[in-house]
Amino acid sequence: DAGVTQSPTHLIKTRGQQVTLRCSPKSGHDTVSWYQQALGQGPQFIFQYYEEEERQRGNFPDRFSGHQFPNYSSELNVNALLLGDSALYLCASSLVFSNYGYTFGSGTRLTVV
Amino acid sequence: AQTVTQSQPEMSVQEAETVTLSCTYDTSESNYYLFWYKQPPSRQMILVIRQEAYKQQNATENRFSVNFQKAAKSFSLKISDSQLGDTAMYFCAFMPNTGNQFYFGTGTSLTVIP
Repeated sequence: DAGVTQSPTHLIKTRGQQVTLRCSPKSGHDTVSWYQQALGQGPQFIFQYYEEEERQRGNFPDRFSGHQFPNYSSELNVNALLLGDSALYLCASSLVFSNYGYTFGSGTRLTVV
Repeated sequence: AQTVTQSQPEMSVQEAETVTLSCTYDTSESNYYLFWYKQPPSRQMILVIRQEAYKQQNATENRFSVNFQKAAKSFSLKISDSQLGDTAMYFCAFMPNTGNQFYFGTGTSLTVIP
């Protein structure tokens, strides 16, 4: 089953460092969205990528940036890490213009110390 | 702005019994979709059920059904014949027809007791 794959599953970073998280979408999907889920909270939308461009962005600072590659995989980069960036980062893939049919990955647990 | 509210942080139910999880939302959109997602310890968000706002009929998926009250902006999930595997966090989510993002509630932790 070629579902959504995220790597790494866990990582620990020091405040001020930079981190890159990776996501491979479900086979056949062309759109990737990223969400941040803080402990005890629901996921919050960071941004969505389609055709290698940022299609929509949530209320996150510019320290959060992303990229989508020609094979539809995506990266989420966070610069100048803060303790408050500690969270589960979820990737979801879909087909463009689909209001449902999203498939989520199991996330990357980021801890900033 | 869209908001989703889940007022029950934790709930429990006896195995084989029925439980209802509550969700309210606020939006000025006229066309939208509503969802219930399950997040087990594996962390992956799994779609339980979805409802198109323009459909008056409540969605049903096997043991899962919703009570969609559009005027009241209410979208509750009923789980019948609860099973141990239903133990998880449940998130209510909203997506406007014009947008590409989910708006999630804060979740309800459901425990099914054997």
